Amino acid sequence: ELKVEQNPLFLSMQEGKNYTIYCNYSTTSDRLYWYRQDPGKSLESLFVLLSNGAVKQEGRLMASLDTKARLSTLHITAAVHDLSATYFCAVPSNSGYALNFGKGTSLLVTP
Amino acid sequence: GEEVAQTPKHLVRGEGQKAKLYCAPIKGHSYVFWYQQVLKNEFKFLISFQNENVFDETGMPKERFSAKCLPNSPCSLEIQATKLEDSAVYFCASSLTGGDQPQHFGDGTRLSIL
Repeated sequence: ELKVEQNPLFLSMQEGKNYTIYCNYSTTSDRLYWYRQDPGKSLESLFVLLSNGAVKQEGRLMASLDTKARLSTLHITAAVHDLSATYFCAVPSNSGYALNFGKGTSLLVTP
Repeated sequence: GEEVAQTPKHLVRGEGQKAKLYCAPIKGHSYVFWYQQVLKNEFKFLISFQNENVFDETGMPKERFSAKCLPNSPCSLEIQATKLEDSAVYFCASSLTGGDQPQHFGDGTRLSIL
């Protein structure tokens, strides 16, 4: 059974600081997705990582994938309040394209 | 359309009643997925379709849950004889192709079983 673990699950950080969210998964996969969810809202796609060593950046967020270590990171640079949300990583199952989600990292950026 | 459209936004049913949820995928997307989000952060995959064919139903509780994607109609997820534990937000997602494209999610249907 594919397991996806995120840490930390809760993160409170000050504006302007940097931090990294980690996503580990238990079986081989060369693809990984990052999503953002605001309270009571839908999931917004942030990044699609399709190969070992893939790195993608959008604004203050940068995601990377190491398929050999079965690890993805989501790095936040100089956090701002607008980044407060829950961030999920997801790995597709081997039997199809169904996504297995981590439990999410609830990020709160404070002044 | 350009967004995944789910209806209704909120559905309230008494225990034992039937619940039916609808999803219109993004036009041109071949794959449709249903997920259940419980306890705010736990997502569970239910079923996926490739066009009108079931693609993967490994997550589907088969006794009471059923789903369809028929041509020229919204996809549907139906729960018979609902239980309290079915209370959750049900998300539908669609993708252009199966694997290399992101899944685009609808706003969800919040199902409350009383």
